[in-house]
Amino acid sequence: QQQVKQSPQSLIVQKGGIPIINCAYENTAFDYFPWYQQFPGKGPALLIAIRPDVSEKKEGRFTISFNKSAKQFSLHIMDSQPGDSATYFCAATLLSGNTPLVFGKGTRLSVIA
Amino acid sequence: DSGVTQTPKHLITATGQRVTLRCSPRSGDLSVYWYQQSLDQGLQFLIQYYNGEERAKGNILERFSAQQFPDLHSELNLSSLELGDSALYFCASSVDQDSGNTIYFGEGSWLTVV
Repeated sequence: QQQVKQSPQSLIVQKGGIPIINCAYENTAFDYFPWYQQFPGKGPALLIAIRPDVSEKKEGRFTISFNKSAKQFSLHIMDSQPGDSATYFCAATLLSGNTPLVFGKGTRLSVIA
Repeated sequence: DSGVTQTPKHLITATGQRVTLRCSPRSGDLSVYWYQQSLDQGLQFLIQYYNGEERAKGNILERFSAQQFPDLHSELNLSSLELGDSALYFCASSVDQDSGNTIYFGEGSWLTVV
């Protein structure tokens, strides 16, 4: 399977800080990059996604930055809150092919008050 | 609530045994996916079914098998269980087979092999 490498494995930030989670992918054909958020005891849920035709996408306090030439994308959480404490997974896939989502290994984020 | 239902939520079984995990997709979703989540490997794709047919296969062991029934529910069968099979198994569903559709995850089935 094509890999998506995610870092860091865990992250602790203070309330109001801006945690940044990074992902790198190998397959240059990938053209859809979602982020999933998982709370303890729950399944992952789609948070935000980006296509490579834009370099940034913002939804509320969550922003994806995308660097096609570097094959990297990152999630920024503005004004982070304790309720954002969760595990975040980046993923990638090829829309035109029947390629299931390939997930990174996840980042456990803790936002402390 | 994602609308994807998985049973059982927790399961403890012995090595060498066989278990079946069940999944009911969201109403109207035709595609079902199975993922395995472990601490060191993250979310690993196992297999996808679309409207009863196998659509894609990932890192699924030969000891594991799955199927999707005419009513669209799916079962994942795990046999000759080993300690290393202990993990959280997720089922997910989407409206069709296209990769860009949002996939909705259930809350998972915790499998502990002792």
